[in-house]
Amino acid sequence: AQSVSQHNHHVILSEAASLELGCNYSYGGTVNLFWYVQYPGQHLQLLLKYFSGDPLVKGIKGFEAEFIKSKFSFNLRKPSVQWSDTAEYFCAVKTGGYNKLIFGAGTRLAVHP
Amino acid sequence: NAGVMQNPRHLVRRRGQEARLRCSPVKGHSHVYWYRQLPEEGLKFMVYLQKENIIDESGMPKERFSAEFPKEGPSILRIQQVVRGDSAAYFCASSPDSPDEQFFGPGTRLTVL
Repeated sequence: AQSVSQHNHHVILSEAASLELGCNYSYGGTVNLFWYVQYPGQHLQLLLKYFSGDPLVKGIKGFEAEFIKSKFSFNLRKPSVQWSDTAEYFCAVKTGGYNKLIFGAGTRLAVHP
Repeated sequence: NAGVMQNPRHLVRRRGQEARLRCSPVKGHSHVYWYRQLPEEGLKFMVYLQKENIIDESGMPKERFSAEFPKEGPSILRIQQVVRGDSAAYFCASSPDSPDEQFFGPGTRLTVL
């Protein structure tokens, strides 16, 4: 069965530190990849998505992610985090012809001023 | 520009009662998805519906759970004879006819006493 792994469940950073959140998926075919963010008390919002083309995807709020097909990975990065980036981040995959999203368990990021 | 609406936001039920969760998709969206998030876990797909049709219910428990998306009105997720293990956050998402992105609602937090 397809699955998504997010290796870090909790990450604590100071402002201006660099961020990289890992995401690996298990599926050998065509995938669409997503990162969603959930700020405290709010609903999930799309940060960025990859469907095809340039494997380096830029999203909102300075986030980017790189799709590495050989590693089945789609890691999220931001060069300099802010306190307002404190949130939970979810990686998700859509596979084959199915519309359902398969989510990772999420990573809780806390940024200290 | 209303997004996905869910109500109620919080629902408390005693064991054995019924829970009805409502989801109004983004105006013009004809695809609705339901996901469940248990504590400390990621979102798990439950069911995918289009108007009056269930397209994929592979994530729905076999008993007590049902979903509908009628021609008129919101989508309903119905849980009969709730048990404590049903306590979770239930998220609804919608997408347009070319479903490359799902837009999420704020969720309904169900607590079963």
